[in-house]
Amino acid sequence: KAGVTQTPRYLIKTRGQQVTLSCSPISGHRSVSWYQQTPGQGLQFLFEYFSETQRNKGNFPGRFSGRQFSNSRSEMNVSTLELGDSALYLCASSYDRYYGYTFGSGTRLTVV
Amino acid sequence: EDQVTQSPEALRLQEGESSSLNCSYTVSGLRGLFWYRQDPGKGPEFLFTLYSAGEEKEKERLKATLTKKESFLHITAPKPEDSATYLCAVMDSNYQLIWGAGTKLIIKP
Repeated sequence: KAGVTQTPRYLIKTRGQQVTLSCSPISGHRSVSWYQQTPGQGLQFLFEYFSETQRNKGNFPGRFSGRQFSNSRSEMNVSTLELGDSALYLCASSYDRYYGYTFGSGTRLTVV
Repeated sequence: EDQVTQSPEALRLQEGESSSLNCSYTVSGLRGLFWYRQDPGKGPEFLFTLYSAGEEKEKERLKATLTKKESFLHITAPKPEDSATYLCAVMDSNYQLIWGAGTKLIIKP
């Protein structure tokens, strides 16, 4: 079956701009989570959506937001980009919390 | 504060040389512990979930165990294709996953 699809794979943006990343979960998975991965901080949880509702949120500023659509596809948005936002953004989906999450290959965001 | 610590940071082994990776944690209300492997340029790949102390799970050359304070990932007779970064994560009482920094495993042929 198809895996988790993230688009785009690579993105270069200028400081101050905004960006939207997209994630298509595995069919039937209702839970979608987003993570930021950097060499210094490792994997850090951004937020989780379940049936279009944000169920959990990590410790990131309000510039980071997300949403989930009725077909479980999800988007995350980062406004007013900063250099420190450069990272690999990973989306993961699961049937529900206690099951292992399946990750996409990520979107590599570079802010210049 | 909830915390996950993995050791060692990096491990080099010869093909066939068995070893163990450690994941120690302090978390309030552990709901589960997860092991993943991550290859360069890819997202983490799910390996195991452990829910309670004493639980063990196996998959090919990998075996994961759990105690009240730590988990071990035992690798038996590893092959070069087992080279990857192995990540441990714990789910806390708020259902958030807290991740360790990972162990980079290199298996030399």
